[in-house]
Amino acid sequence: AQRVTQPEKLLSVFKGAPVELKCNYSYSGSPELFWYVQYSRQRLQLLLRHISRESIKGFTADLNKGETSFHLKKPFAQEEDSAMYYCALAYNFNKFYFGSGTKLNVKP
Amino acid sequence: NAGVTQTPKFRVLKTGQSMTLLCAQDMNHEYMYWYRQDPGMGLRLIHYSVGEGTTAKGEVPDGYNVSRLKKQNFLLGLESAAPSQTSVYFCASRGQMNTGELFFGEGSRLTVL
Repeated sequence: AQRVTQPEKLLSVFKGAPVELKCNYSYSGSPELFWYVQYSRQRLQLLLRHISRESIKGFTADLNKGETSFHLKKPFAQEEDSAMYYCALAYNFNKFYFGSGTKLNVKP
Repeated sequence: NAGVTQTPKFRVLKTGQSMTLLCAQDMNHEYMYWYRQDPGMGLRLIHYSVGEGTTAKGEVPDGYNVSRLKKQNFLLGLESAAPSQTSVYFCASRGQMNTGELFFGEGSRLTVL
């Protein structure tokens, strides 16, 4: 069953434009959601987690339980934001399920 | 501090051959995971372990076996490789704290001819 859906494989925006990477999930319990990022030639790493309600590198993500979404947003994209972004859902912090990923390309 | 180390980084196999991927972590983490990454499908969980001596199946366990004899190591085995197992394999680990932060290895690219 598809637990995490990222509908966009590729998202291209110009530098300075707002960006929103979509993530929808299916889970009957209380979800633990995360965004991971993989920059070119780097390891996959945690970007942010919904429980912390934090802003990392200007990115924020709000959990919308009604729409079962956890979209990642940034008001002004930078070229260094170009990377592969994965939304992830954790079951009891044991199993972590990832979406298919969205490649963000920020053009100069 | 190496973090999570995967060996080998690249391997080419013929159909039917066997091999083992080794994941080693030096962070004293309890939890370890094996994922495969395929184009358009993201990361899919193969097997995972919640502690030394324990393993459990993930989303796509068929054709793979795992062992966690030592806390720091998590081995992924392919007994009889198939072309469908051509992929990039990632190992990850996390500690006891429920922060949700997985620490990933650099990946191992496996090609089965």
